[in-house]
Amino acid sequence: KAGVTQTPRYLIKTRGQQVTLSCSPISGHRSVSWYQQTPGQGLQFLFEYFSETQRNKGNFPGRFSGRQFSNSRSEMNVSTLELGDSALYLCASSPGTSGGTDTQYFGPGTRLTVL
Amino acid sequence: GDSVTQMEGPVTLSEEAFLTINCTYTATGYPSLFWYVQYPGEGLQLLLKATKADDKGSNKGFEATYRKETTSFHLEKGSVQVSDSAVYFCALSDPGSSNTGKLIFGQGTTLQVKP
Repeated sequence: KAGVTQTPRYLIKTRGQQVTLSCSPISGHRSVSWYQQTPGQGLQFLFEYFSETQRNKGNFPGRFSGRQFSNSRSEMNVSTLELGDSALYLCASSPGTSGGTDTQYFGPGTRLTVL
Repeated sequence: GDSVTQMEGPVTLSEEAFLTINCTYTATGYPSLFWYVQYPGEGLQLLLKATKADDKGSNKGFEATYRKETTSFHLEKGSVQVSDSAVYFCALSDPGSSNTGKLIFGQGTTLQVKP
């Protein structure tokens, strides 16, 4: 099976702009989770989608949003970008049906730089 | 709330040395525990997992045992190679409807193996 893919791999934006990142999960997986990785805060959970519904949400401002399509592909959007949003954004997919025992498989990430 | 604490790095070892990276956790339920590895410029790869007390996860010579009495999941390898140089993350997934799709990560431990 193909792994989790993320596009684009690199993005450069300026403050105040918005950005959309895309994630295609492993075939058959219905859950997609998003994480932000920064040197200062480490890996932090953003949100999780399952069957087009947000099931869980981390502690991020409303500028961070996401959605999931019927084919399980997911997008996340960040509006009104701030310098502190510069990070590696990782998505992970899992079957989504076994609760906490599910293994999450990660994509290579999108490196966002905000100038 | 739930949390994961890893030993601080970097850890520098010579090739063929024994590796231990300590990981302890705090959780309200009965979490699943994971070790992920991140190579430079890449996403996270699952190294091993354990879903209940006394389970031992193993992969590529790495091992970790889920110790509920000490709330620990220490990573070990008998003989490291230069190719093991990477950042290692301990993570937990706490079951429960409010925690779906959410991994909580430790801060990561950088391992450098010298020839």
